[in-house]
Amino acid sequence: SQTIHQWPATLVQPVGSPLSLECTVEGTSNPNLYWYRQAAGRGLQLLFYSVGIGQISSEVPQNLSASRPQDRQFILSSKKLLLSDSGFYLCAWSGQGKYLVTQYFGPGTRLTVL
Amino acid sequence: RKEVEQDPGPFNVPEGATVAFNCTYSNSASQSFFWYRQDCRKEPKLLMSVYSSGNEDGRFTAQLNRASQYISLLIRDSKLSDSATYLCVVIGSSNTGKLIFGQGTTLQVKP
Repeated sequence: SQTIHQWPATLVQPVGSPLSLECTVEGTSNPNLYWYRQAAGRGLQLLFYSVGIGQISSEVPQNLSASRPQDRQFILSSKKLLLSDSGFYLCAWSGQGKYLVTQYFGPGTRLTVL
Repeated sequence: RKEVEQDPGPFNVPEGATVAFNCTYSNSASQSFFWYRQDCRKEPKLLMSVYSSGNEDGRFTAQLNRASQYISLLIRDSKLSDSATYLCVVIGSSNTGKLIFGQGTTLQVKP
């Protein structure tokens, strides 16, 4: 069966510090991968998605970036965090193809920027 | 207009009640629809897909009305464990499978 991991689970970082969040998927190959953010009291916002190694699409302009160095690894990064980057970061995966669109989420990383 | 709209609630109902959530979407080309459940401070989990013919899974029934661009979720015989936020989710017509989430409807089932 497929599993998705994220770490760390929680993170407290000062403004201006760098960020690296990691997501890995097991039990599947060539998944679509997604990064979402959920700010307090708000809905989920898609940040990035990837359909393959090295292929990243950005949904919103921001100081975050994403990379996919391996098929089942997705990384979210920032060089300098802002207060507004605080939130619940969720990685998700789905199969590829018209009938494999259901997305499954990892446990998330709760980021607080102080 | 938001792409996916839900009544945020909260819906406070007694155990055993029947409760219905509604959701509207703006893109008529949307092709796939889901309900996710999100517990407090947890990740969303797929509750059920929504099919054109309507579908049922135990106490949960989902309906889709493409003409009105409207999705519903009916929960019968509510349990305390049903307390959560229910997210209406739509996939657009692109091939990337990007999900568009509603803000969620919060349900609180009381004893």
